[in-house]
Amino acid sequence: EVQLVESGGVVVQPGGSLRLSCAASGFTFDDYAMHWVRQAPGKGLEWVSLISWDGGSTYYADSVKGRFTISRDNSKNSLYLQMNSLRAEDTALYYCAAGSVYFDYWGQGTLVTVSS
Amino acid sequence: QSVLTQPPSVSAAPGQKVTISCSGSSSNIGNNYVSWYQQLPGTAPKLLIYDNNKRPSGIPDRFSGSKSGTSATLGITGLQTGDEADYYCGTWDSSLSAGGGGYVFGTGTKVTVL
Repeated sequence: EVQLVESGGVVVQPGGSLRLSCAASGFTFDDYAMHWVRQAPGKGLEWVSLISWDGGSTYYADSVKGRFTISRDNSKNSLYLQMNSLRAEDTALYYCAAGSVYFDYWGQGTLVTVSS
Repeated sequence: QSVLTQPPSVSAAPGQKVTISCSGSSSNIGNNYVSWYQQLPGTAPKLLIYDNNKRPSGIPDRFSGSKSGTSATLGITGLQTGDEADYYCGTWDSSLSAGGGGYVFGTGTKVTVL
């Protein structure tokens, strides 16, 4: 059974930092590019970042570029998102998703709340 | 603000058909494959359609996708109460991030079964 399990979401103050993790199982992790997608409360889906299967290429939404860093450890079947200089508008449920130009698998999300 | 435009809502009676449009441009839909996602209330999105019109294993043929030019369409026939959900289109956009590209989702459409 394919599983993507996100963790690391908490309440953090504006300007703070956070690292999200996503543990993958049930599929060949290093066959897949991986993404982070977020959804603010009551809002639509927003793509955040993409990393290639080998970590050699990364892409970011303009809204997070320079503040967020995506990475992966294929030996641990894990995906990460380092989030710095957090803003109130970063408050959202963060999903990790597997796929290249479409998302085959999704996790259940981890909630990040940026508030003082 | 998304670059892919969908109607906010569509509705129909059980057994009927609905279509959801997704309008974009040459930098996204016009030159890339489109996928569609279903998000039931309180759950994570699920892949419904990929590569414009292909269904993953387990997705019933009541769901169909098509693309023409810079627009795409999701069709749902034989509407069921279990189809009540938010639906999103998505594709790559080569014009984002100073030309480096990025993925974009549509604005989302809520399907209501009357």
